[in-house]
Amino acid sequence: NAGVTQTPKFQVLKTGQSMTLQCAQDMNHNSMYWYRQDPGMGLRLIYYSASEGTTDKGEVPNGYNVSRLNKREFSLRLESAAPSQTSVYFCASSDRDSGSPLHFGNGTRLTVT
Amino acid sequence: AQSVTQLDSQVPVFEEAPVELRCNYSSSVSVYLFWYVQYPNQGLQLLLKYLSGSTLVESINGFEAEFNKSQTSFHLRKPSVHISDTAEYFCAVTDTGTASKLTFGTGTRLQVTL
Repeated sequence: NAGVTQTPKFQVLKTGQSMTLQCAQDMNHNSMYWYRQDPGMGLRLIYYSASEGTTDKGEVPNGYNVSRLNKREFSLRLESAAPSQTSVYFCASSDRDSGSPLHFGNGTRLTVT
Repeated sequence: AQSVTQLDSQVPVFEEAPVELRCNYSSSVSVYLFWYVQYPNQGLQLLLKYLSGSTLVESINGFEAEFNKSQTSFHLRKPSVHISDTAEYFCAVTDTGTASKLTFGTGTRLQVTL
């Protein structure tokens, strides 16, 4: 029972490099989300996709792009990484209804030097 | 827009003692409220949620939280904690819209010791 799978688990980038974080869910959920977690700041929403074919900005979208490839997959791209993007990134999914809980992946720990 | 305040960044407690983790929220619309728990090197897991009805909600492992609309609070309590409850706890809020776009608090680290 995989749930939400994120790859990679760890990544180190140099400033200016690009990369894509992958996320896939097998629960047939409509909505998917990308959050970043920083010490003392909790989780902040980067982008979300309420349903296949739609994406919207969250609280901290600058420096990121997303693609909802299909109902299962939602990727996060850093075009030109900056040290301020050093963080732990979590993907989550849920049914469309706002009372439905989020199901989280185990995170990607990204360091930008 | 909503916001969530968790005033206590860390709460140390002895095993079998009671604990309360505080959460206050602000919103101009109706809300749903959640508590999530994060164990080391893992993602967050839902602990309990308030959607409507009884203001006291419970989890399967003995935690409970009470929705207090007048005080805009959703404090988490457990009458007797266990070592295995050591984790970070996040309070979260969303409006009763069409997507679970949660706003999280900054988290409270619960450290249970013998």
